[in-house]
Amino acid sequence: DIQMTQSPSSLSASVGDRVTITCRASQSISIYLNWYQQKPGKAPKLLIYAASSLQSGVPSRFSGSGSGTDFTLTISSLQPEDFATYYCQQSHNTPWTFGQGTKVEIK
Amino acid sequence: VQLVQSGAEVKKPGASVKVSCKASGYTFTSYGINWVRQAPGQGLEWMGWISGYNGDTNSVQKFQGRLTMTTDTSTSTAHMEVRSLRSDDTAVYYCARDLVVGATGTGEFDSWGQGTLVTVSS
Repeated sequence: DIQMTQSPSSLSASVGDRVTITCRASQSISIYLNWYQQKPGKAPKLLIYAASSLQSGVPSRFSGSGSGTDFTLTISSLQPEDFATYYCQQSHNTPWTFGQGTKVEIK
Repeated sequence: VQLVQSGAEVKKPGASVKVSCKASGYTFTSYGINWVRQAPGQGLEWMGWISGYNGDTNSVQKFQGRLTMTTDTSTSTAHMEVRSLRSDDTAVYYCARDLVVGATGTGEFDSWGQGTLVTVSS
């Protein structure tokens, strides 16, 4: 199985900050990398698919980049509604696997 | 697109649980449905996928033998049953639709149900 490792596990940031979360795959996954946002008590929400494609309806302050084994999710200007946990997930090989999550908290 | 799941369940160890996921707002047979679970305070775990078109399935090896996924195209509903429940099966179970139309799951999940809490306790 492909292992996905996110860093950091948590971070504190202020509204307006630029935030970057990284995700590393245990083997090359080309661009088959997706990002989800999850708020407490809610289902995850797809933000980015295929490493850099913005899902319909997702604000443009979210962006993704990377290929192979190293990927990044960037929030260009953190908004109050962005405080949540973010997960990366590979869709290169089954079983599809997720990173352990990065919790973005208010500073 | 909307996925509405059945309500919370409490089960004893060794029992079975069946969770349903009723889809609306799209052609059910055009997309696959995935099942993802999340133990309390933990991350997300993909369990398996079923085609809305022909019922083909693909599941994680650790669940094979305990997990059954089915669909009822007449009601646009997917079902997931887990047998021989253990305490570590306590989790919120989500259904999630494939992003991409087609008979083969591609691993991106664009619409999710609200989740069903399954508690396994003696």
